[in-house]
Amino acid sequence: DAGITQSPRHKVTETGTPVTLRCHQTENHRYMYWYRQDPGHGLRLIHYSYGVKDTDKGEVSDGYSVSRSKTEDFLLTLESATSSQTSVYFCAIGPGFGTGKYEQYFGPGTRLTVT
Amino acid sequence: QKEVEQNSGPLSVPEGAIASLNCTYSDRGSQSFFWYRQYSGKSPELIMFIYSNGDKEDGRFTAQLNKASQYVSLLIRDSQPSDSATYLCAVFTGGGNKLTFGTGTQLKVEL
Repeated sequence: DAGITQSPRHKVTETGTPVTLRCHQTENHRYMYWYRQDPGHGLRLIHYSYGVKDTDKGEVSDGYSVSRSKTEDFLLTLESATSSQTSVYFCAIGPGFGTGKYEQYFGPGTRLTVT
Repeated sequence: QKEVEQNSGPLSVPEGAIASLNCTYSDRGSQSFFWYRQYSGKSPELIMFIYSNGDKEDGRFTAQLNKASQYVSLLIRDSQPSDSATYLCAVFTGGGNKLTFGTGTQLKVEL
């Protein structure tokens, strides 16, 4: 998984509780991304980061916030989880802008269930 | 119109045959193109990328890019049951700093 870990790998939580997912990379990539994947929708971008403390919204950012205090860590927070946020969440790193390499690599994923 | 379109399948091919997976994209400014393989319950795995018009071969895989027609394809030669997975097409458009994914084509290689 290209030096990317995600934690936890599985989580069950109740509606209304806060949840934080962690992505950790050892590749020193500047760009990091959070996606969710749902049947029929494919991979959808939630938020991404282009450097420490630099983040931007993706297409499905409502209900999610992110933080990046170190190059290696990118956190995704659901402030008040809802059942519609039940999904599989993937972190990804890359592209390596300025290096001529545009490949993106994914972490192992976190399966989140909101009951 | 979706930005990146793929036939959802399933595409069924017999073992040993050539599997052909197709993807079309809408943004003519798209620069880089990627194919990911995803097994059920696993994360997407990058298997091919192509930046220039033409063909790129890597083992049993060939990626083909035609920017004029705005399509990219993936050929898998000598298909094996282990190739059974969902294949995601992704496109990088330079202005957005992000990839856009198709919804994937499910491939089934039958014995």
